[in-house]
Amino acid sequence: DGGITQSPKYLFRKEGQNVTLSCEQNLNHDAMYWYRQDPGQGLRLIYYSQIVNDFQKGDIAEGYSVSREKKESFPLTVTSAQKNPTAFYLCASKDHGGSYEQYFGPGTRLTVT
Amino acid sequence: GENVEQHPSTLSVQEGDSAVIKCTYSDSASNYFPWYKQELGKRPQLIIDIRSNVGEKKDQRIAVTLNKTAKHFSLHITETQPEDSAVYFCAVNYGGSQGNLIFGKGTKLSVKP
Repeated sequence: DGGITQSPKYLFRKEGQNVTLSCEQNLNHDAMYWYRQDPGQGLRLIYYSQIVNDFQKGDIAEGYSVSREKKESFPLTVTSAQKNPTAFYLCASKDHGGSYEQYFGPGTRLTVT
Repeated sequence: GENVEQHPSTLSVQEGDSAVIKCTYSDSASNYFPWYKQELGKRPQLIIDIRSNVGEKKDQRIAVTLNKTAKHFSLHITETQPEDSAVYFCAVNYGGSQGNLIFGKGTKLSVKP
């Protein structure tokens, strides 16, 4: 399971609070991704980064923010502007130069009440 | 934009039977077609993938077939076992060879002993 980690596994927050989800990888991958997973919806792309200090919005970026200050780290902040933040969040990484395969972290289940 | 349709959404088979899941896509430039398996509460894991320069790929009991003309690809699992029970996602890259993945909504496979 090693290579890409997410913490914490479960996270509980009150409505109106911002929360940051951690994603770290030691695979030396250039590209990193954040997905949101809801029941019956598959995986939807929130943000992605192909290189340090650069990132782009995915399909559902509203209410989220990211940073990519280090190659191995790509934290996701769920802001109070996100209307339905309760979901399972998955981080992934990919070797930009060669392989097409994305490797996933174990996920963080966020519950906002 | 790019769209991936996955069918069926649920599939129940008897142990030992075969299971087939099909995905269709819209971007003719797509050239990478992975299949992921996700057990309950776990991360998606790549089980097989295919590039557009081949029509079929097999790995033990799992095979993927690709029809680029018709823009569809399928996952075939033979001699199913209870441990094959999981949610299976297809995905397609879009926007070129380094493009992002778009996922189908998943198929929940149940293998009854």
